[in-house]
Amino acid sequence: DTGVSQDPRHKITKRGQNVTFRCDPISEHNRLYWYRQTLGQGPEFLTYFQNEAQLEKSRLLSDRFSAERPKGSFSTLEIQRTEQGDSAMYLCASSQGTDNEQFFGPGTRLTVL
Amino acid sequence: GDSVTQMEGPVTLSEEAFLTINCTYTATGYPSLFWYVQYPGEGLQLLLKATKADDKGSNKGFEATYRKETTSFHLEKGSVQVSDSAVYFCALSETGKSTFGDGTTLTVKP
Repeated sequence: DTGVSQDPRHKITKRGQNVTFRCDPISEHNRLYWYRQTLGQGPEFLTYFQNEAQLEKSRLLSDRFSAERPKGSFSTLEIQRTEQGDSAMYLCASSQGTDNEQFFGPGTRLTVL
Repeated sequence: GDSVTQMEGPVTLSEEAFLTINCTYTATGYPSLFWYVQYPGEGLQLLLKATKADDKGSNKGFEATYRKETTSFHLEKGSVQVSDSAVYFCALSETGKSTFGDGTTLTVKP
């Protein structure tokens, strides 16, 4: 078990560009979550999947953000037309079971110039 | 909606001091409660959890008790070490997603 992995670990982009992040959960986990964390704040929920179904999206998630989890395995988070306010750490987590204990990946740090 | 309020930091203690980090929550149902820790340069790790009222979670000398009557889940440790220096996050989970507090930075000095 290698834990939750995320790629890339760091991404620097120019405003207006599109970016895509990948998350590989722990293999037997059926739930996958995306969070965003800015400096001095706790993680903020973006969206989550149970298997391949996207069950909930935050109202804070603009139309520029989209997430997929084809075949219920890895997931991608795409941000279109990036803005400077999108600069943050994007965290992925996975879980299995009913008590919602989540295992976090190392995060992808996005910097929008 | 759900929310978590944590004691503001930063907190600075001397080694072997007693630690309390306060956490209170608002939820519509009966959430599970968690403390996560983030050591410098590392990702979030689960420290302890409690899934129902009066449960006590414990790990590495840290403890927290799920108090439904006061909607609290305060983190305590009797004797902190320099290696406990980290950011601590209180969180609740009710419908799958987790709601986090803003974190409390703990620095332990020798």
